Amino acid sequence: AQSVAQPEDQVNVAEGNPLTVKCTYSVSGNPYLFWYVQYPNRGLQFLLKYITGDNLVKGSYGFEAEFNKSQTSFHLKKPSALVSDSALYFCAVRDGGTGGFKTIFGAGTRLFVKA
Amino acid sequence: DTGVSQDPRHKITKRGQNVTFRCDPISEHNRLYWYRQTLGQGPEFLTYFQNEAQLEKSRLLSDRFSAERPKGSFSTLEIQRTEQGDSAMYLCASSRDRVQSEQYFGPGTRLTVT
Repeated sequence: AQSVAQPEDQVNVAEGNPLTVKCTYSVSGNPYLFWYVQYPNRGLQFLLKYITGDNLVKGSYGFEAEFNKSQTSFHLKKPSALVSDSALYFCAVRDGGTGGFKTIFGAGTRLFVKA
Repeated sequence: DTGVSQDPRHKITKRGQNVTFRCDPISEHNRLYWYRQTLGQGPEFLTYFQNEAQLEKSRLLSDRFSAERPKGSFSTLEIQRTEQGDSAMYLCASSRDRVQSEQYFGPGTRLTVT
């Protein structure tokens, strides 16, 4: 069965500094990996995804994520954080080995960007 | 694209009552998903549909929960004999019919069982 772990409940970073939000996963086949963001009182929004190919994927709002197969990780990154990036971030995975659309989400990491 | 809509946005019910939620997906999306989210947790998979066919249902989902998508468009999620532990945000999402496709989420229905 697929699973996702986000080891940090919260990440604090100063505005202008780089940020990393960590995610590791477990699947039986090839992984399809996603990052979503949830702003207060708003629905989840898609940020970016890894399907195949280049290990560094770029997404919305200047975010990018690095896929590392050997470490089974898919960390979310941004070179320079903004206060407006403060939100709840979720990593999610689908197991390409099963062929199904079932998506498992991590527990989330709250990002605080301090001015 | 009008987005995914859910109705109602909030529901307060007494323990033991039945409740039904509705989700209207993005019109061209074949896949529709239901999740439950409690405070401080990520969305928990409940079930998903391809058109009108319910393809997978979480083993965590008790028999009190049932979902339908009768014409492959909108979907309903019914909870029978609600319990206080059912209090949560119920999220609906839809996607295109490719396993690589991302999901688009609705605003959710917040259920409070008193």
